[in-house]
Amino acid sequence: EAEVAQSPRYKITEKSQAVAFWCDPISGHATLYWYRQILGQGPELLVQFQDESVVDDSQLPKDRFSAERLKGVDSTLKIQPAELGDSAMYLCASKAGGSPLHFGNGTRLTVT
Amino acid sequence: AQSVSQHNHHVILSEAASLELGCNYSYGGTVNLFWYVQYPGQHLQLLLKYFSGDPLVKGIKGFEAEFIKSKFSFNLRKPSVQWSDTAEYFCAVMGGTYKYIFGTGTRLKVLA
Repeated sequence: EAEVAQSPRYKITEKSQAVAFWCDPISGHATLYWYRQILGQGPELLVQFQDESVVDDSQLPKDRFSAERLKGVDSTLKIQPAELGDSAMYLCASKAGGSPLHFGNGTRLTVT
Repeated sequence: AQSVSQHNHHVILSEAASLELGCNYSYGGTVNLFWYVQYPGQHLQLLLKYFSGDPLVKGIKGFEAEFIKSKFSFNLRKPSVQWSDTAEYFCAVMGGTYKYIFGTGTRLKVLA
């Protein structure tokens, strides 16, 4: 079964440093999502893309977070500068049309 | 605005016990409802979904859920749990533009 690929799997960074996460959705999936999941909580939507366009980024802290999907395929989420409170699992998911949401394994970020 | 509320944060059951996890949602339009499961060390996976029609939907591994429109609920049930059902369960609602909102999750532990 095709999977959503994410890298790196784990990332440790110091506060005030920049960090980036990469996601490659399932081929043909036009809709791509970035979620943040803090331990003990549910996934929180950060940004949603339809092809290369942002559909919803209302919950993205735009002073430090940015996301792009330049060619409408893979996507990058960046944090600059990272803060201690950004420690969380960052999940990427994708879907096509009426198909269900498919998640990647996530990137676990620890900010020290 | 969409929102999802899960009432039980932690549930501990013995094998063969019956399970019911509560989920209430808030959304003004036509809802599509989902239950996702996250087994230890694995990514989120779809358990079952409701789009329309029969309000009682059956999913994988013997799980089912009932959509009760008048109560804005979509509770997850299983008649007899197994040790392998130990996982975290998330209820989600999809509104317009394929925006998925997740609940805070219920951590289920099944004792052998």
